[in-house]
Amino acid sequence: DIQMTQSPSSLSASVGDRVTVTCRASQNIFNYLNWYQQKPGEAPELLICATSSLQSGVPSRFNGSGSGTDFTLTISSLQPEDFATYYCQQSYNSLWTFGQGTKVEIK
Amino acid sequence: EVQLVESGGGLVQPGRSLRVSCVTSGFSFEDYAMHWVRQPPGKGLEWVSSISWNGGNMDYADSVKGRFTISRDNAKTSLYLQMNSLRPEDTALYYCGKGAKPHGSGSYVDNWGQGTLVTVSS
Repeated sequence: DIQMTQSPSSLSASVGDRVTVTCRASQNIFNYLNWYQQKPGEAPELLICATSSLQSGVPSRFNGSGSGTDFTLTISSLQPEDFATYYCQQSYNSLWTFGQGTKVEIK
Repeated sequence: EVQLVESGGGLVQPGRSLRVSCVTSGFSFEDYAMHWVRQPPGKGLEWVSSISWNGGNMDYADSVKGRFTISRDNAKTSLYLQMNSLRPEDTALYYCGKGAKPHGSGSYVDNWGQGTLVTVSS
């Protein structure tokens, strides 16, 4: 099975900060990497698919990059509505795995 | 508007069975793979199972293989998860998800339900 390791598990940041979350796969997954955002008490929502394609309606301050085994989610200027937990997910094959999540909290 | 509504969760004793359902609307159900993802209380997301557009391919996480069975009824635009031999560690909010493609490989969940809570406890 492909393991996904996210870092950090949590971070504290201020509005306007640049935030970076990383996700590492245990093997080459090419660009089959997706990112979700989950706010407390809500279902997850798709942010980015195929490493860097923003879902419709997602603000341009979100950016995804990477390939192979190392991937990054960047929020260029953190906004109040961005405080949430972020998960990566690989779909290189039909046996999906999620990262353990990164909780972005208010400093 | 795509809608996914899960039901069937509840409290069940260890070793017993439960079936959760997901009724969908707002899209061509028969064209897309469907997925179950669960989230234990206070923890992260775990992929559980996927079924291809026509039900011809089914995949399971190792943690549920041999105990859970995914199925779909395209005529009823509904997805199901039959859970047998339930364990306390199966306690979670079970989300139904619409896949973006006919199969799971290379895909992702582009629409989520609100989840149904399954609690396994004596």
